[in-house]
Amino acid sequence: EPEVTQTPSHQVTQMGQEVILRCVPISNHLYFYWYRQILGQKVEFLVSFYNNEISEKSEIFDDQFSVERPDGSNFTLKIRSTKLEDSAMYFCASSEVAATGSNQPQHFGDGTRLSIL
Amino acid sequence: AQSVSQHNHHVILSEAASLELGCNYSYGGTVNLFWYVQYPGQHLQLLLKYFSGDPLVKGIKGFEAEFIKSKFSFNLRKPSVQWSDTAEYFCAVPHSKAAGNKLTFGGGTRVLVKP
Repeated sequence: EPEVTQTPSHQVTQMGQEVILRCVPISNHLYFYWYRQILGQKVEFLVSFYNNEISEKSEIFDDQFSVERPDGSNFTLKIRSTKLEDSAMYFCASSEVAATGSNQPQHFGDGTRLSIL
Repeated sequence: AQSVSQHNHHVILSEAASLELGCNYSYGGTVNLFWYVQYPGQHLQLLLKYFSGDPLVKGIKGFEAEFIKSKFSFNLRKPSVQWSDTAEYFCAVPHSKAAGNKLTFGGGTRVLVKP
């Protein structure tokens, strides 16, 4: 079964540094998402992406965050100047488009554990 | 805004016991509903989904869930659990039925099945 893959599995970064989290969505999927889960808290939506632009973003997704689809396979999340509170598990997900235009289940990657020191 | 609540944070039970995990959502319109499972060290996997039709939904690994619109609930059940069902279970609801909608997750329930 095709999978969403994320790299790296664990990223340790100094506060203030930039970090890029990478994702390869399932190849025929057209919707892409980033979620995060701070330790002990709920999985929270960050951003969705479709047709090379952001579809929706949460209030968490401020100016320090950006997403990009640099080529036909990768989908990246960049955090420009990391803060201690950015430490979390970041999940990428993708979903396909149904002919009806209705919701389809999202498929998740294994996540990247981001630790900010 | 949509909100999703799961009543139990931790559940411990023995093999062959029955399992029921509660999930309630806030949105009153027509909804899609999902249960995801995360086994230790693995990614979130879709367990089952409700889109429309029969409110009793069968999923993988013997799980089922019942959508009760009047109670805004979508409880997950399994009649007889196995040790391999040890995992964290998440109820999730998209903001609307349109494609590409963000998911709102419940807080998750950690289930430990003792052999």
